[in-house]
Amino acid sequence: GAGVSQTPSNKVTEKGKYVELRCDPISGHTALYWYRQSLGQGPEFLIYFQGTGAADDSGLPNDRFFAVRPEGSVSTLKIQRTERGDSAVYLCASSPTGGAAYNEQFFGPGTRLTVL
Amino acid sequence: AQSVTQPDIHITVSEGASLELRCNYSYGATPYLFWYVQSPGQGLQLLLKYFSGDTLVQGIKGFEAEFKRSQSSFNLRKPSVHWSDAAEYFCAVGSYSSASKIIFGSGTRLSIRP
Repeated sequence: GAGVSQTPSNKVTEKGKYVELRCDPISGHTALYWYRQSLGQGPEFLIYFQGTGAADDSGLPNDRFFAVRPEGSVSTLKIQRTERGDSAVYLCASSPTGGAAYNEQFFGPGTRLTVL
Repeated sequence: AQSVTQPDIHITVSEGASLELRCNYSYGATPYLFWYVQSPGQGLQLLLKYFSGDTLVQGIKGFEAEFKRSQSSFNLRKPSVHWSDAAEYFCAVGSYSSASKIIFGSGTRLSIRP
């Protein structure tokens, strides 16, 4: 079956603009995660959804970042007033049930965001 | 707080040679440990994981890792590397108490010499 998909694969925007990044998890997976990967670094946890609700958003860096998953499937990561420091690859992952410690997370290919 | 250190930024080995990638973690209780591989243009893929039990863990693609509590290490090994193993490798740690989070190391880039 299809894996995790993310769109767009690349996004270039200007400082101060608003962007939306989309994640389509594997069908039937109830848990969804967003990570940010800066150049030369490992992925950094942002937020975790269990179903429609954000179970843990402690990794969101500030209130410019927001994510939704209204129907418990597709998720959108929203970044307001983008800054150059937001440039990174944004990764989405899903797993069959919640709890990263128990279940393998299946990662998408990422969206590369460049803020000029 | 949990943390993961991968001391080697870049390693080059000859095809057919053995490989060991180092990983050290910091965590008070028994951690859950993972190794992921990231190939160019591909998503992260889980190679293996340790939760409990046998400290030598077998994974996919011929990789194995050994959990050593006394050294706070979880090194990844492969007896004979193939050119297709060239990729970025990430060690990660999770815990029962913070079930939603995985903390990743900064990665080791593996190059294969023909």
